[in-house]
Amino acid sequence: KQEVTQIPAALSVPEGENLVLNCSFTDSAIYNLQWFRQDPGKGLTSLLLIQSSQREQTSGRLNASLDKSSGRSTLYIAASQPGDSATYLCAVKDTPLVFGKGTRLSVIA
Amino acid sequence: GAGVSQSPSNKVTEKGKDVELRCDPISGHTALYWYRQSLGQGLEFLIYFQGNSAPDKSGLPSDRFSAERTGGSVSTLTIQRTQQEDSAVYLCASSLSLAGNQETQYFGPGTRLLVL
Repeated sequence: KQEVTQIPAALSVPEGENLVLNCSFTDSAIYNLQWFRQDPGKGLTSLLLIQSSQREQTSGRLNASLDKSSGRSTLYIAASQPGDSATYLCAVKDTPLVFGKGTRLSVIA
Repeated sequence: GAGVSQSPSNKVTEKGKDVELRCDPISGHTALYWYRQSLGQGLEFLIYFQGNSAPDKSGLPSDRFSAERTGGSVSTLTIQRTQQEDSAVYLCASSLSLAGNQETQYFGPGTRLLVL
């Protein structure tokens, strides 16, 4: 059974810092991996989707990498801003998506 | 354009009552998913629909849970004889298809269910 783990569970950083969120999964036979953002009381917003054949995806200040063989993905956020404060969820497409429990990020102004 | 919408946004019910949760996916999206997010837990897959294929019900926690999708669009998740442990946020998502980059799932705001 696929299991997805996200470390750390919570992170607090000062504004402007670059940071890395980690995601690991137990079964490397995945179709893709997605990173989502969830604001309190809201639904999820898709940030990046990496196909199993890809190594990374970039969108603005976000960069996500995928290493299937080691069962790991990282989400890199450059020059963090208070508006980046949210819970970030990693999900792997087995059939269907299997989610981690997320990393709660607080960016302090 | 309009995103995924869900109704009601909040629902409070008494133990033992039935509830119906509605999801309107993005127009043209053939795949529709239901998830549950309990306090302190991650998102838990419940069921998904893809086009006219039989739904994947493998995530439904008990036979009290059922879902249908009419006309390939709107979906209703029904919970019969609700229990307190059913209290959670129920999230619906849709995607254009199950292929490649069209698999990006777009989520609705969720229905917060509280069973007293």
